[in-house]
Amino acid sequence: DSGVTQTPKHLITATGQRVTLRCSPRSGDLSVYWYQQSLDQGLQFLIQYYNGEERAKGNILERFSAQQFPDLHSELNLSSLELGDSALYFCASSVGVGRDNYEQYFGPGTRLTVT
Amino acid sequence: AQSVTQLGSHVSVSEGALVLLRCNYSSSVPPYLFWYVQYPNQGLQLLLKYTTGATLVKGINGFEAEFKKSETSFHLTKPSAHMSDAAEYFCAVTGGFKTIFGAGTRLFVKA
Repeated sequence: DSGVTQTPKHLITATGQRVTLRCSPRSGDLSVYWYQQSLDQGLQFLIQYYNGEERAKGNILERFSAQQFPDLHSELNLSSLELGDSALYFCASSVGVGRDNYEQYFGPGTRLTVT
Repeated sequence: AQSVTQLGSHVSVSEGALVLLRCNYSSSVPPYLFWYVQYPNQGLQLLLKYTTGATLVKGINGFEAEFKKSETSFHLTKPSAHMSDAAEYFCAVTGGFKTIFGAGTRLFVKA
C-alpha cells in the first residue's frame, strides 16, 4: 500500500459525458501528479501540482483539467469524453522538495471506460 | 530537457537466468534516475533510485542498477529471475520538477 488513494476504482460512462477522478496523496506529500496509461500510448504524464499550484504540464488535452485543493487532495476532470479516453488514470505523489524527494508513490488507479 | 529510452518492449528469460533491462537517458542537468515496477492491475512501485553518490544502487526484490554517466545508461539487473518478477518495468529520469518515464519493458519469466 503506497498510501495514495484514488476513487473511484472503476468508472463506466458514455461519450460526451464529464467525470471527476479524485486522489488523496500520501500524508506529508506536497506534489501530486496525474498520468494516463493506455495500451497504445503507454504511460503519459498529464499534469503536476505542487502545494496547490500547477507546476508542470505534459500531454494533457484541453478537455481535461485538474486542481489541487488546500487539503492537498487533487481532482482530475475529464469532459466531452471520447472512446479514446478509455484508459487507466494514475495519481502519484511525492514530497516534492529537496534533491532526495522526487520519487513518486502511485495510487492503484482509476479504470475509465467510455462507451 | 530529459528523455528516456528503454531498449526492448518485451524481454523473456528463463527462471534462474540473469535479468537485464536496458535504459538510456538524456538530461541537460545531473539526472535523478528511477526504476519502477508495475504488476498486473496495480500502480507503479518504486524499485530503486539514483540521486547522487554510489553509482551502483540496490533496490527491492534483489534488483540493482548502475549509473554510468559516460554511457548515459541506467540498466537494471537481477542475477536470478523468479517467476514473481514477471511484470512491466519503467525507467524514469527527473531533471527538475518533471519526471519522464520510458515506454516500459515487459518481462516474461519462463519456467
